[in-house]
Parts: sequence; C-alpha cells; structure tokens
Amino acid sequence: EDQVTQSPEALRLQEGESSSLNCSYTVSGLRGLFWYRQDPGKGPEFLFTLYSAGEEKEKERLKATLTKKESFLHITAPKPEDSATYLCAVQAGSNYQLIWGAGTKLIIKP
Amino acid sequence: SAVISQKPSRDICQRGTSLTIQCQVDSQVTMMFWYRQQPGQSLTLIATANQGSEATYESGFVIDKFPISRPNLTFSTLTVSNMSPEDSSIYLCSVGDRGESGYTFGSGTRLTVV
Repeated sequence: EDQVTQSPEALRLQEGESSSLNCSYTVSGLRGLFWYRQDPGKGPEFLFTLYSAGEEKEKERLKATLTKKESFLHITAPKPEDSATYLCAVQAGSNYQLIWGAGTKLIIKP
Repeated sequence: SAVISQKPSRDICQRGTSLTIQCQVDSQVTMMFWYRQQPGQSLTLIATANQGSEATYESGFVIDKFPISRPNLTFSTLTVSNMSPEDSSIYLCSVGDRGESGYTFGSGTRLTVV
C-alpha cells in the first residue's frame, strides 16, 4: 500500500537553529514529491516539486532533497515567520491523486 | 500558477442543513479536487471534478452527502448536505498538476456544525 510518513510530528527550534524535516514514502513508481507550507486557517502553499532521486531545490531558507526512499526539507537559520505546518505529498504510478503525509508542525521561537 | 477564490471562508451551520462552497479559478483547468481537513490532521481527498462528467468520489464519500457541480472549466461547487457535527472541518478546493507549479489550493472554508 502506498504510504507517506512525516517526522517529527512537531519540532520546536530557537531562531537561527537549523534542522531538517523528514518525509519517507513507499510507493510504486514515484512521479513527483511535493512540499507545502500551511499556516493556521489557510490552504496549503506550494513550495517544491521533486521528481527523481538526487534532485535538490532551494527557496530562501528552505532546501528540499530527494532519495529513493525519502525527502528532507532543510531549514537553515530559521526565523519565527517560518513557523507553520509543513506537508509532504507524493504522486505515484498512473494515479493523479496525491498521497499526503500528516505534516510536521514547526515552531520557531525568537 | 492558477489563483483560486473560495467562498465562504467560514460558516457556522445548524445540524440538518446544507452548505454550498464555491471555488472560482482564474484560468481554465481540467480537474478540480475537493479535500477535507479535520482539525490537526492532513488532507483527505473527497472527490475529483471534471467538467462535463460526474465527479469521482473516494472511498467513504458519497454523492448524496457531498454533491459536486462543475458547470465549466473555471468553477465548481461542493455541497455538504444534511450536516452533523462530525462534518465540522476545513474544506479545500485545489487545481493543478505534477508540474513545477504543483497544485494550488483555495484558502479553505472552515465549517462548524452546531
């Protein structure tokens, strides 16, 4: 069964303390892995799409990487405004639907 | 990427009533997706709506409870019918594809059933 697991469930960091969020997946025929940011009361905001192992993408303090089994979202020197829930989703095989992880709630303390 | 306008942003409804949620997209799209997100949880796909055909519902969701309309390539509605407190959730519409812009989401409708 296709599955996406995110860890940790929650992460509290001090401002400037770098860390990584994990998204592990077991799917048949990965077509794309997506990272989203979601603020309370809002819809998810698209961050990155990764397609193949070894691919990396960056945006400001965020960097997403992909292997054959997992993806990492690295956050460098985070600021309080980076506090949000980060969601990972995959698209696999011939199915256009996304399989979603449960998310990681990130809290950056000033 | 597309811009989605979703209405209403929130509502408090009496049990047994129905609420219709609207999503308007600023460009023509083939597929629109409707999701439910219960408090503190991730997204669950309710159905996929294609223009000119009946929506495809996921396991656990039925047309009588969540009827969907898709009259054209820029608009869709989701109705939550005969509501109960268990329907309290955030409902989201989404469009897009696996391309570089990913899938775009509306701002969500926060529904509370009392």
